[in-house]
Amino acid sequence: EVQLVQSGGGWVQPGGSLRLSCVASGFTFTTYNMNWVRQAPGKGLEWVSDITSSSYTTYYADSVKGRFTISRDNAKKSLFLQMNSLRDADTAVYYCARTERGYFDYWGQGTLVTVSS
Amino acid sequence: DIQMTQSPSSLSASVGDRVTITCRASQSISRYLSWYQQKPGKAPKFLIYDASTLQSGVPSRFSGSGSGTDFTLTISSLQPEDSATYYCQQSYNTPHTFGQGTKLEIK
Repeated sequence: EVQLVQSGGGWVQPGGSLRLSCVASGFTFTTYNMNWVRQAPGKGLEWVSDITSSSYTTYYADSVKGRFTISRDNAKKSLFLQMNSLRDADTAVYYCARTERGYFDYWGQGTLVTVSS
Repeated sequence: DIQMTQSPSSLSASVGDRVTITCRASQSISRYLSWYQQKPGKAPKFLIYDASTLQSGVPSRFSGSGSGTDFTLTISSLQPEDSATYYCQQSYNTPHTFGQGTKLEIK
């Protein structure tokens, strides 16, 4: 059974940092691209970042470019999102998602990030 | 960036009704279109990919069609458990944009 288990959310003041984690099981992690998608309270889904299976290439939404960094540790079957210079507008539930040809076929349970003073 | 526009934003229908949600891309995306279902407080669920291919385990009352810029998600006979918000998403290129969502309620 494919599982993505997330951790690392919480409350942070504007300008602060947080690191999200996502641990995968039930599939060969090294053969899949992985993504982060977020959802602000009461709003729709917004793609955040993408990393290829080997970490060779990463992509970011313009709204987070230069502030967020996606990474992965294939040996530990783990995906990360380092979020710096956080803003109120980054408040959202963040989901990790396995990616198959650009589609998000399995999702983590989500973790809430609240940026507020 | 490719913009994805869904219509309607919300709708209400009765059990047994046929329901159609449309999704329009701002440029041609071939058939690189998927659909997701999201219930309150839950992660989205992957329903359809390549515009019309049903993900394993998804009930056959769900179907998708379209290519280029215009796509539809159809539920042939609405069930109570189909109450949710539905999103389309393009995977033609990055950013992998989503539609704004369609909230489906059961009368």
